[in-house]
Amino acid sequence: DQQVKQNSPSLSVQEGRISILNCDYTNSMFDYFLWYKKYPAEGPTFLISISSIKDKNEDGRFTVFLNKSAKHLSLHIVPSQPGDSAVYFCAASEGIQGAQKLVFGQGTRLTINP
Amino acid sequence: NAGVTQTPKFQVLKTGQSMTLQCAQDMNHEYMSWYRQDPGMGLRLIHYSVGAGITDQGEVPNGYNVSRSTTEDFPLRLLSAAPSQTSVYFCASMLLASSYEQYFGPGTRLTVT
Repeated sequence: DQQVKQNSPSLSVQEGRISILNCDYTNSMFDYFLWYKKYPAEGPTFLISISSIKDKNEDGRFTVFLNKSAKHLSLHIVPSQPGDSAVYFCAASEGIQGAQKLVFGQGTRLTINP
Repeated sequence: NAGVTQTPKFQVLKTGQSMTLQCAQDMNHEYMSWYRQDPGMGLRLIHYSVGAGITDQGEVPNGYNVSRSTTEDFPLRLLSAAPSQTSVYFCASMLLASSYEQYFGPGTRLTVT
């Protein structure tokens, strides 16, 4: 049973446009959400996070939106750049202790076209 | 700082063989963990540790053993490799009570034939 789902395996966006990556979760106990970015042959790197007490968190070109009632979060990248081409994973946890046991989605491969 | 290092980068095993995947971090992080990444499955937690002498199971612990004798090292042991353990393995570390950010190593690609 996949508790965190990224239903789009891949996404292709033109350079300069907005990229929107989506993530759904089923466990209502999740209250902290993270996005990781992964290049080929490297480990994932942390990108941005959001706590359930917020509905939006922004860091430069990256914004994460959380809709608790829909159990849905999204990552917006504006403007998209070629270096953003990577696999993006969303992850969720139950509180501070739960951060020790992250649950990851399947990942979405983002390709930015020049 | 080297961050999180993993050895080897690649490994091929025959069914039934044993081996240890090495993981080390030089950031003095209390928390360390092992994940496996399989196509279409994302990353799944195998085992984790919140300090020397303390380990616990994650989502998919069967077939794997861990121990944590020092803060720096967290080896993952496969006692009798099976083809189902063919995967990419990532080690991660995190500073507890500071942030939720886990720092990942570059991974070990393991093939079991």
